[in-house]
Amino acid sequence: AQSVAQPEDQVNVAEGNPLTVKCTYSVSGNPYLFWYVQYPNRGLQFLLKYITGDNLVKGSYGFEAEFNKSQTSFHLKKPSALVSDSALYFCAVRTNTGGFKTIFGAGTRLFVKA
Amino acid sequence: DGGITQSPKYLFRKEGQNVTLSCEQNLNHDAMYWYRQDPGQGLRLIYYSQIVNDFQKGDIAEGYSVSREKKESFPLTVTSAQKNPTAFYLCASSPQGGGNQPQHFGDGTRLSIL
Repeated sequence: AQSVAQPEDQVNVAEGNPLTVKCTYSVSGNPYLFWYVQYPNRGLQFLLKYITGDNLVKGSYGFEAEFNKSQTSFHLKKPSALVSDSALYFCAVRTNTGGFKTIFGAGTRLFVKA
Repeated sequence: DGGITQSPKYLFRKEGQNVTLSCEQNLNHDAMYWYRQDPGQGLRLIYYSQIVNDFQKGDIAEGYSVSREKKESFPLTVTSAQKNPTAFYLCASSPQGGGNQPQHFGDGTRLSIL
């Protein structure tokens, strides 16, 4: 069965420091991996995706993510955090053999302190 | 600007009442989805539709119903059979079901019990 794990409920970082939000996945088949961000009382916004090719994917607002096949991970990173990055982040996976369904992680709340 | 519009933003349901949540998209997407979001649980799929006049149950369809009479519209009815309807409901769309394209989300409807 497909699954996504975000092992941290919350991540705290100081503004200007690098941030990492972790995601691991389990799928049968090749994964399509996504990161979304959610601000309070809003829908999810797409940040970036991995389909194939380079393991380092660059996305919106300076975020990037590294795909690691051997560790089945897709961690979200940013070199220098901003207070405005504080939000709820979701990792999601779909496979090229799994049809329509996207599996979402439980979410990680990021707090960036000024 | 293309996007997804959900209405109303807030909705209150009385005991024994059915309520309908609206979702309209002007992205010309074939696939549409309804998710339920509860704190700490990520997103759970209620129903999805890959094409007009066709829809399928997701993981938690009991107590909900949908219709897809037009490509642009995918309303969700929360029936009186849903005993715990208090949640944040998100509608999403994608160019087609499956594939490697991200989903686009509306800004949600928050449903509460009176």
